[in-house]
Parts: sequence; structure tokens; C-alpha cells
Amino acid sequence: EIVLTQSPGTLSLSPGERATLSCRASQSFGSRYLAWYQQKPGQAPRLLIYGASTRATGIPDRFSGSGSGTDFTLTISRLEPEDFAVYYCQHYGSSPGFTFGPGTKVDIK
Amino acid sequence: EVQLVESGGGLVQPGRSLRLSCGASGFTFDDYAMHWVRQAPGKGLEWVSGISWNSGSIAYADSVKGRFTISRDNAKNSLYLQMNSLRAEDTALYYCTKDIVPYGATSGCFDNWGQGTLVTVAS
Repeated sequence: EIVLTQSPGTLSLSPGERATLSCRASQSFGSRYLAWYQQKPGQAPRLLIYGASTRATGIPDRFSGSGSGTDFTLTISRLEPEDFAVYYCQHYGSSPGFTFGPGTKVDIK
Repeated sequence: EVQLVESGGGLVQPGRSLRLSCGASGFTFDDYAMHWVRQAPGKGLEWVSGISWNSGSIAYADSVKGRFTISRDNAKNSLYLQMNSLRAEDTALYYCTKDIVPYGATSGCFDNWGQGTLVTVAS
């Protein structure tokens, strides 16, 4: 089973700043099978990125994903107030075990 | 608009059973695989189980295998999770999720989520 590690655990930034979140896999897999989700307090997660770099429907273009192999990155180019949340990466495509990373919390500095 | 509405959660004693339901609308239900994902209080996300469009392919996380059973009724646009032999560690918010890939495939990427139903296992 692939294990995902996310860093940092918490990222403290100000609105307007750039956020760079990392997700590292325990073994290499096809970049098609990496997703990012955003979860705000009291809400269900929302799909942001799939296939490592494809934005889901309705996701603003300040969100971008990149990476392949074992190292993936979610970048938020300029943080808006509504972007402060927890972000999870996920490996999918091979059942069973659609594993999630532990999450990175982006909070206001 | 896709809507997924879970129900059936509640407080249950260890060792007892509970059945969760998810009503779906806003999309062609039998075109998509469906899944359950859970989140323990203050913790991260854990995929629990998934079922293909025609129930021909079913998978479970090791943590629930042999205790939980996923099923669906395409005529009723509904997804179910029968949970037996419940343990304290099954306490979580259970989300019903829709797979992103249509027409029979199962990817395990979830493009729509319900609001969840809370299951609490305690004596």
C-alpha cells in the first residue's frame, strides 16, 4: 500500500501570499492518480485537483498542481481569505486502498 | 446539481450494528461507482469501501473487511453501508462520495461528497 506524507503540517501565511504544499509517496506511481482536496471546518472535503494537475469543475486558476513519481505539489498562487483550510492529497486508481495523506493546515499568520 | 444525502448514523453500543443510507440525485446514478469515506473526530480521511456501477466490483479497507457490507439499489438511486460488530474506532463522520469516472470505471477519486452522517460507537 502506498503511504502519503504531507509537509508542512501547518503553513502560516497571510492573504495574498503564495502557498506551496508538498505530498510525497512511499513509492512511485503514475501521476494520473494523484488528487488534492480542500476541507474547511464543518464542511465536507471538496475536490480541487485530479490527475496531479487538472483542476476540478469550478476551481479557480489560482490553484495548480504539479509533480510526478513520488513528489507532488499543490500551489495556491495568491491566498484568498476563503483558502484557509486543510488540504489533503490522495492516491487513487488502484483498489483497494485509495489512501489519503495526513493533511496540511493553511492558517492565517 | 449533484446531491448526496446520508442518513442512518447515531449512537450505538460496541458489537452492535447500524445501516447507513445515501440518497443520490442530480446525475445518472447507475453510471458511476460510489464510495464511503470516513473521518474520525479531529482526524484525517479514510476510504472505507467502494462499489462499481453494477455492484460487480466491491472493495473494502482492511480495517472494515468482514464487518462492513456495501450495496446499492440503482432503481432507488441509493447507496448503503451495513456495519456489523462495531468498534469504538469506527466512530467517525461517514461521507457518501461519487466517483469521478463515468461509464463503469472505478477510479477512487471523489468529485462529489455528501455532508456526512455521524456514527458514534460507545457504551
